[in-house]
Amino acid sequence: AQSVTQLDSQVPVFEEAPVELRCNYSSSVSVYLFWYVQYPNQGLQLLLKYLSGSTLVKGINGFEAEFNKSQTSFHLRKPSVHISDTAEYFCAVCPGNNRKLIWGLGTSLAVNP
Amino acid sequence: EAGVAQSPRYKIIEKRQSVAFWCNPISGHATLYWYQQILGQGPKLLIQFQNNGVVDDSQLPKDRFSAERLKGVDSTLKIQPAKLEDSAVYLCASSPLGSPNTGELFFGEGSRLTVL
Repeated sequence: AQSVTQLDSQVPVFEEAPVELRCNYSSSVSVYLFWYVQYPNQGLQLLLKYLSGSTLVKGINGFEAEFNKSQTSFHLRKPSVHISDTAEYFCAVCPGNNRKLIWGLGTSLAVNP
Repeated sequence: EAGVAQSPRYKIIEKRQSVAFWCNPISGHATLYWYQQILGQGPKLLIQFQNNGVVDDSQLPKDRFSAERLKGVDSTLKIQPAKLEDSAVYLCASSPLGSPNTGELFFGEGSRLTVL
C-alpha cells in the first residue's frame, strides 16, 4: 500500500533563513508527487508538482523540490523564507495507476522575525 | 477564471442537528471531491464524483453523510445528524477530466463546521 510520511510536524525558522521540509513516500508503482500549501483559514493551493522529466522542479513563491527515486523522497526547499511563508505544507502522492491522492499529515512552517 | 466556490464559510450547530454545504467547481471540471480536514491533520477524501457519478465514497460515513451532484456541476454535502467529531473544515476541490496534471486539484476556501 502507498503511504506518505512528512518527517517534521513543525518547523520553526527565522526570516531569510533557508528551509527544507521533508517528505518520503512508499509505493510499488510509479508516482506523481505534489506539494500543496495552506495559508491560515484558506483552502489548499498547489505549490509545485513532479510528473516526469527533470527531478528538480520549481514552484511558486521561490520554492523548489527534488524527486529522489532511490530514496523515495520529495523534499521541499526554499533558500530564504519570508514571514508570509508561514503556513501548513502538505506533501501528496498520486500513484500512476489511479487518481487518488495520498496525503501526508502536514508540516507547519512558522517563520519568525 | 473563477475558482471553486463554497458556502457557507462557517457554520456552528449543536449535535444531532443537520447541516448542508454547497460547492460549485471550476467551470468545465468533470471531477469533484469533498474532503474532511480535522484540525492538525491532512485532508481525508470523503467522496469523489466524475460528472454526476460516484467514483469513490469508501470513506464516507453513509449512516450520517450524504452527497449529490445531480447535474454534474455543483454539489451538496449533507450531515444528518451531526456528531461532535464532525467538527472540521470541509474542503471541496475539482479537477479537469483527462488532464495530464493527474492528481492536481483546485480547492475552494473550505467550510468550517463546529458542532457543540
